[in-house]
Amino acid sequence: NAGVTQTPKFQVLKTGQSMTLQCAQDMNHEYMSWYRQDPGMGLRLIHYSVGAGITDQGEVPNGYNVSRSTTEDFPLRLLSAAPSQTSVYFCASRQDRAPYEQYFGPGTRLTVT
Amino acid sequence: DAKTTQPNSMESNEEEPVHLPCNHSTISGTDYIHWYRQLPSQGPEYVIHGLTSNVNNRMASLAIAEDRKSSTLILHRATLRDAAVYYCILSYRDDKIIFGKGTRLHILP
Repeated sequence: NAGVTQTPKFQVLKTGQSMTLQCAQDMNHEYMSWYRQDPGMGLRLIHYSVGAGITDQGEVPNGYNVSRSTTEDFPLRLLSAAPSQTSVYFCASRQDRAPYEQYFGPGTRLTVT
Repeated sequence: DAKTTQPNSMESNEEEPVHLPCNHSTISGTDYIHWYRQLPSQGPEYVIHGLTSNVNNRMASLAIAEDRKSSTLILHRATLRDAAVYYCILSYRDDKIIFGKGTRLHILP
């Protein structure tokens, strides 16, 4: 199993550009989520999904969209990038049964200039 | 807001045991207690989890208070590679999983 994969690893955007961060998992996990981590800070939840077709907002959803058309994929879309969205983005997945352990991807480092 | 509170940072000497505390006074009966750690420039990785009883695995031990309102992650013999940020979180089926700021563990050689 590849686990949780994220692409790209690095990305530089100009203010106002849009892009999609990709996340895929091959563990048939129902629950997937996106976090951002700013330098020296903890992880903050952006959006999460408890299954295909179901998404919900986390702590910091503004400026981001998600969709979940398949169990495997959970892309994160930045609609109009801003310098405040410069961060490292982590995708995670877990089963919907105990003990609910999360598996994280390697992260995407995004810089918005 | 995170449902757990942890000290911002702790220090320990290499090869000594480390006890990392976590308070979760609003824990519900179905919440699992999870610990993750994040090494520099990496994503978080699972360390250990528990529900009611103390747990041991190859990485660490988890001691859970009888009332479940607090827990302690125990690293039995810290090494320099254990320097990381340690997160204690509560997890149940469809709940949002909110990370707090965690505890930054410094290991002194």
